[in-house]
This record gives sequence, structure tokens and C-alpha cells, in this order.
Amino acid sequence: AQRVTQPEKLLSVFKGAPVELKCNYSYSGSPELFWYVQYSRQRLQLLLRHISRESIKGFTADLNKGETSFHLKKPFAQEEDSAMYYCALGETSGSRLTFGEGTQLTVNP
Amino acid sequence: DTAVSQTPKYLVTQMGNDKSIKCEQNLGHDTMYWYKQDSKKFLKIMFSYNNKELIINETVPNRFSPKSPDKAHLNLHINSLELGDSAVYFCASSQLRGSPLHFGNGTRLTVT
Repeated sequence: AQRVTQPEKLLSVFKGAPVELKCNYSYSGSPELFWYVQYSRQRLQLLLRHISRESIKGFTADLNKGETSFHLKKPFAQEEDSAMYYCALGETSGSRLTFGEGTQLTVNP
Repeated sequence: DTAVSQTPKYLVTQMGNDKSIKCEQNLGHDTMYWYKQDSKKFLKIMFSYNNKELIINETVPNRFSPKSPDKAHLNLHINSLELGDSAVYFCASSQLRGSPLHFGNGTRLTVT
């Protein structure tokens, strides 16, 4: 069964500090991984997907198949980055998207 | 234009009542979903429809019944509401199976 683990429920950093949100997955097939962000009381929005290999709002994420990880990183956090971040794993042949439990990021001034 | 819209945004009701949440997407997507976000912000899939056909039906009480009149709409009807049903329910859609989801704004259901 596929599984996504985000070990930190809460993460607090200061503005300008680097931030890394951890995500590990378990899946027997070829994984498709995403990061979604949810700002306070808003809808979830797609932030990144691993096949795009792009940087959005300064965030990047690299798929490491050896470590089964897809950590989200930003070198200099901003206050507006404060939000809930979800790592998600998609089946390559199906519709199921499995979410991790989420990490609440707070960027302090 | 709102891509995935849900109504109502807030729903407060008493235990035992029956209520519905509506969802519509104007993206032309074939697949629609219902997710539940509980008080701990944990997101769990409930149902998925592809072109009006049910393809995912997680372990959800049969008090919850999805209905898809056409591929642009996926409604959720809940019978005999219980306190534990209080949550935020998100509708979502995707173009292809496995492609990124587009979420609605959510419906915050409070059962008293």
C-alpha cells in the first residue's frame, strides 16, 4: 500500500532562514509526487510536481528514489510562506492521490 | 471564473439531519473527487468519479452517498449526520487519472 509520511507536524523558522519540509513515501511502483499548499482557510493549491522540476515561489523539491524522499526546500523563507504544506503521492495508473498528514509552517518576523 | 466551486461554504446543522453539498467544475475534467479534512487537518479521499462512473469508494459510512449527474458535477449527500462528520469537505477535479488536482474552496460542516 502506498504511504506518505511527513514527520514534522509543526515547523517554525525565522524570516530569511532556510526551510526544509520533509516527505518520505512508500510505493511499489513508479511514484508521481506533488506538494500542495493551503494558506489559512483557503483551498489547497498545487505548489510543485516532481516531473516539472521547476521552482515555484522559491521552493524546490527533488525526488530521491534511493531515500524515497521528496523534501521541499526554500533557501530564504518569507512570512507569506506560512501555510500548511502537504506532500502527496499519485498512482501512475489510477486516480488515487495519497496525502501526508501535513506540516504547518510558520515563518516568524 | 471559479474553476471548482462548492456550495455551501459553511453548513451548520443538527445531528440526525440530512444535508447535501454541491460541486461543479468548469475545467472540462473527467475525474472528480471528494476529500475530507478533519480537525487535525488530515486529508483523506472519500470518493472519486471518472466520467460519472464511481472508481474510488473508500471506507466511508454508507450514510455518505455521492451523485454525479454529469462529469462536471459531483454532489455529496449525507444522511443522519453525526458529530464526527464535522470537518471540511473538499471537492476536486483532475484532467486525467493521476494528474494534479484542482480543489474547491471547501465546505465547512459543523454538526451540533
